[in-house]
Amino acid sequence: QKEVEQNSGPLSVPEGAIASLNCTYSDRGSQSFFWYRQYSGKSPELIMFIYSNGDKEDGRFTAQLNKASQYVSLLIRDSQPSDSATYLCAVKAGRRALTFGSGTRLQVQP
Amino acid sequence: DAGVTQSPTHLIKTRGQQVTLRCSPKSGHDTVSWYQQALGQGPQFIFQYYEEEERQRGNFPDRFSGHQFPNYSSELNVNALLLGDSALYLCASSLGSSGGYTDTQYFGPGTRLTVL
Repeated sequence: QKEVEQNSGPLSVPEGAIASLNCTYSDRGSQSFFWYRQYSGKSPELIMFIYSNGDKEDGRFTAQLNKASQYVSLLIRDSQPSDSATYLCAVKAGRRALTFGSGTRLQVQP
Repeated sequence: DAGVTQSPTHLIKTRGQQVTLRCSPKSGHDTVSWYQQALGQGPQFIFQYYEEEERQRGNFPDRFSGHQFPNYSSELNVNALLLGDSALYLCASSLGSSGGYTDTQYFGPGTRLTVL
């Protein structure tokens, strides 16, 4: 079992819709959770981080964390074609290094 | 606000050669982490430097080594290159004193290494 699992996609949504990206993790000691966006050929760009159970909103982005279910998600409201990218989920426990999933490719159709 | 910078952007080497990649952290950051990202995969942690010492290391062979300088910049060295070392090498900087789970890492543009 991989430490951080993501559906590779592609996840295809129409422009203006809500995109829902999911991530599960195996280490119950994980304390912080990050979402990075990576355009093709570019480096990861930090979108959001979340530490506590519940929802955290930042503009069109909402991160949701459920530690009991070991599940973290990212919602993108009013999806735009410019949101088309690979979204990487990463988790961290204490001072340990970030552990990344393989990413979910999102396609927003105009 | 200067972000994380890496050099070179692209590099082509042949098997058996050695390579050095460089990274300057974001202004105000003192910790540098290096990752290898193969095509279609997430970044894999190589090692992290803080206060000029290797603080953590991932599951990479000793062919991968690094260094951090007093100005917090860092180098990644790879010896005896293999075809499988072809990847995007990413440097991420953070504020080490924050430590723990609140340590937020920001990535540089990466160096694309091709081994022929």
